[in-house]
Amino acid sequence: AQSVAQPEDQVKVAEGNPLTVKCTYSVSGNPYLFWYVQYPNRGLQFLLKYITGDNLVKGSYGFEAEFNKSQTSFHLKKPSALVSDSALYFCAVRDRPKAAGNKLTFGGGTRVLVKP
Amino acid sequence: DGGITQSPKYLFRKEGQNVTLSCEQNLNHDAMYWYRQDPGQGLRLIYYSQIVNDFQKGDIAEGYSVSREKKESFPLTVTSAQKNPTAFYLCASSLGTGADYEQYFGPGTRLTVT
Repeated sequence: AQSVAQPEDQVKVAEGNPLTVKCTYSVSGNPYLFWYVQYPNRGLQFLLKYITGDNLVKGSYGFEAEFNKSQTSFHLKKPSALVSDSALYFCAVRDRPKAAGNKLTFGGGTRVLVKP
Repeated sequence: DGGITQSPKYLFRKEGQNVTLSCEQNLNHDAMYWYRQDPGQGLRLIYYSQIVNDFQKGDIAEGYSVSREKKESFPLTVTSAQKNPTAFYLCASSLGTGADYEQYFGPGTRLTVT
C-alpha cells in the first residue's frame, strides 16, 4: 500500500526567507510524486512532479522539490517566500507499476503562512 | 482551476435527502475523479472513472454513487446512506491513467447537511 506523510501541520516563515515543506512517502516500488497547492475555498493547483531523472524538480511559481530515495522524501522548497505563497500544500504519491486508475494518495496537508 | 467546473459552489441540504454534485470538464480528459476533503485529513478518493460508461470505487465509496454517460461529465450523488456528508467535494480529471499524468482539479463544492 502507498502512503505519504507531511509531518508539519503548519510552517511559518518571513517573507524573503527560504521555505521548505516536508513530505515522506512509502511505496512498494518506485514512486511518482506530486505537489499541489490549495488556496482558500478553491481546488488544488498542480505545482510539480517527479517521475524519473534528475532528483531536483522545478515547478510553477518558483517552487522546486528534491527527490531523495534513500530518505524516501520529496520536500518542497522555495528560495525566497512571498506573502502570496500562503496556502495549503499537499504532497501526493502514486506507486509503480501503474496503480489502477492513476490513484493518488495525498498527505494531510501543510498550511504555509508567510509573514510580511 | 483549468477547464473543470463544479456547481454549485455551496450546497445546503436536509438530512435524509439525496443530492447530486455536478462536474464538467472541457479538457478532453479520459479519466475523472471525485475526492472528499475534510479538515486535517487531506483528500480521500470516492470514485474514479477511466473511460465513459465505466467507473470504479475509491477508498470511501459507501453512501455515494456516480455515472459517466458522457466523457465531459461525472456527477456525484451523495445519498442519505452517507453518514457524514458535510464536506468539501473536489472533482478532478487527467488526460489518461498513465503513470505520469497529473490531475487537474475543479474549484470544489462545499456541501452542508443539517
